[in-house]
Amino acid sequence: GEDVEQSLFLSVREGDSSVINCTYTDSSSTYLYWYKQEPGAGLQLLTYIFSNMDMKQDQRLTVLLNKKDKHLSLRIADTQTGDSAIYFCADAHQAGTALIFGKGTTLSVSS
Amino acid sequence: GAVVSQHPSWVICKSGTSVKIECRSLDFQATTMFWYRQFPKQSLMLMATSNEGSKATYEQGVEKDKFLINHASLTLSTLTVTSAHPEDSSFYICSARDEANLGEQYFGPGTRLTVT
Repeated sequence: GEDVEQSLFLSVREGDSSVINCTYTDSSSTYLYWYKQEPGAGLQLLTYIFSNMDMKQDQRLTVLLNKKDKHLSLRIADTQTGDSAIYFCADAHQAGTALIFGKGTTLSVSS
Repeated sequence: GAVVSQHPSWVICKSGTSVKIECRSLDFQATTMFWYRQFPKQSLMLMATSNEGSKATYEQGVEKDKFLINHASLTLSTLTVTSAHPEDSSFYICSARDEANLGEQYFGPGTRLTVT
């Protein structure tokens, strides 16, 4: 079945860049999302990218998509302690369909 | 922006009782809502798709008689966990699809259920 994989942990120092990677198996995915979840809280949509794009930048966030390799990454520039959270990669066939989530990457930022 | 609320945000109940969780789209209408479940340190798993005015569609392995879903209006879906057991303790998150906004999906803040 469809699957989304992520590395489980990433530890960086404040001010460094963070790169969180994700791979997916469904070649018909048209939307790919990054969500942030802080402890005990719900999901916050960070950004998303259409499958016909290969890059999207939004302030400190840069999403890169390699559709051939089904690889998605999220780069956070100038990482801050407030960025510490779990980051979920998710994909969908089209907007508004149920999302398939990865297991989440726990980002730990040390000062 | 589109807002989805859930109520309650957390609940503790005893084994054998039933618990109802509400998911509301506050500023848009949603014919489709989704219910997800998240175990500690795990990903979100889709439980069911809730359709206004019709029966919910459950994912494989989800007991429809245990997790009752009612989508009675365009802004409200409810999930009732019947005869709850400790293994039902989890974080339940709903999302609602905004048809007026390209079908974009918005998530609620989640409900933490603890069954003792």
